[in-house]
Amino acid sequence: AQTVTQSQPEMSVQEAETVTLSCTYDTSESDYYLFWYKQPPSRQMILVIRQEAYKQQNATENRFSVNFQKAAKSFSLKISDSQLGDAAMYFCAYRSPRGSYGKLTFGQGTILTVHP
Amino acid sequence: DAGITQSPRYKITETGRQVTLMCHQTWSHSYMFWYRQDLGHGLRLIYYSAAADITDKGEVPDGYVVSRSKTENFPLTLESATRSQTSVYFCASSESSGTSGGRSEQYFGPGTRLTVT
Repeated sequence: AQTVTQSQPEMSVQEAETVTLSCTYDTSESDYYLFWYKQPPSRQMILVIRQEAYKQQNATENRFSVNFQKAAKSFSLKISDSQLGDAAMYFCAYRSPRGSYGKLTFGQGTILTVHP
Repeated sequence: DAGITQSPRYKITETGRQVTLMCHQTWSHSYMFWYRQDLGHGLRLIYYSAAADITDKGEVPDGYVVSRSKTENFPLTLESATRSQTSVYFCASSESSGTSGGRSEQYFGPGTRLTVT
């Protein structure tokens, strides 16, 4: 079974600076998907970024980018030019394309605080 | 507005009572999921479904029942609520499982906060 680990329960960053959230995963599959979800205080789960394992190029969405290291099974999220609205819980998630209808396996989450 | 909705948003119930949490999506997505969120555990899968009348157990299914008679609805029932089922419950849907193309990401409802006293 796949496992996802987020080793940083809490992180903080100053507004306008850059922060990196860590995620590692364990799998024996070669083809899969990885996601970062943001959960603000409203509780809504918001998809931040998506990475297909077969793509070597790291995904980027505006100020959000990932560092995908397939051999190391690492998938970190970098937030550049942090804004107050980035404060939230962030979840890393793994999705296998085979079996289980593509269910997500989540990490424990990292609470990000942004200081003005 | 189209999307995925959950009801109720908040529910307080007593131990031993039956509770049903509703989930409705307007995208006609084939795949639907129920997760529970607990501190320190992230989100864990309770049940999932590939289509109407096709469901399967996830990681933490004990004490829960699901049905899916229509593609757009996926209700979750706690047959006899226990305090350990106090949690936030999320429903999600996806167009694809990822094996046959299509968008593989899951879209989440707003969640239901359930308290069992």
